[in-house]
Amino acid sequence: QKEVEQNSGPLSVPEGAIASLNCTYSDRVSQSFFWYRQYSGKSPELIMSIYSNGDKEDGRFTAQLNKASQYVSLLIRDSQPSDSATYLCAVIAGNQFYFGTGTSLTVIP
Amino acid sequence: SQTIHQWPATLVQPVGSPLSLECTVEGTSNPNLYWYRQAAGRGLQLLFYSVGIGQISSEVPQNLSASRPQDRQFILSSKKLLLSDSGFYLCAGEGGNTEAFFGQGTRLTVV
Repeated sequence: QKEVEQNSGPLSVPEGAIASLNCTYSDRVSQSFFWYRQYSGKSPELIMSIYSNGDKEDGRFTAQLNKASQYVSLLIRDSQPSDSATYLCAVIAGNQFYFGTGTSLTVIP
Repeated sequence: SQTIHQWPATLVQPVGSPLSLECTVEGTSNPNLYWYRQAAGRGLQLLFYSVGIGQISSEVPQNLSASRPQDRQFILSSKKLLLSDSGFYLCAGEGGNTEAFFGQGTRLTVV
């Protein structure tokens, strides 16, 4: 079983809509969770980190963590064409980083 | 702030030639370091993981090797490149339960 699983997409949303990206992980003792954005041909950049159950908001981005369900999500409000990218979920388990395969998001103008 | 310097940004190498990609870390000590490869439109494939000098874990059997001669230096090598070694190579580091930070990546094309 993979440590981190994401729906590869592609996910398409109209401009201004809410994009919802989901991720599940297998290690129950994981404590640190991250969302990265990767534009084509570029290296991933950190968007959000979350360590506690519940929601964490940063501008148009909200990360949600549910440790009981081993589920972490990212909501992007008022989606913009510049949000079109691949979004990678990452988890620290056993002192090692694990990345999901990423979800491709396209925001349609 | 934590920074990874990775070079070169692009590289074209003939089949059978050697390879050496280097990354260096600034702004943190004793980081965990990673080498990933990414095929076009695909996810990150973990190649090597290091928790310290001389400590390398290999995730998949392959034509590549890695070394960590110094705390903040991580090197990816090959003695003879294959066409299948083409891809986008990323070096990443993290200071222990904190976010991972990435180098700019190296686009390797084996011809």
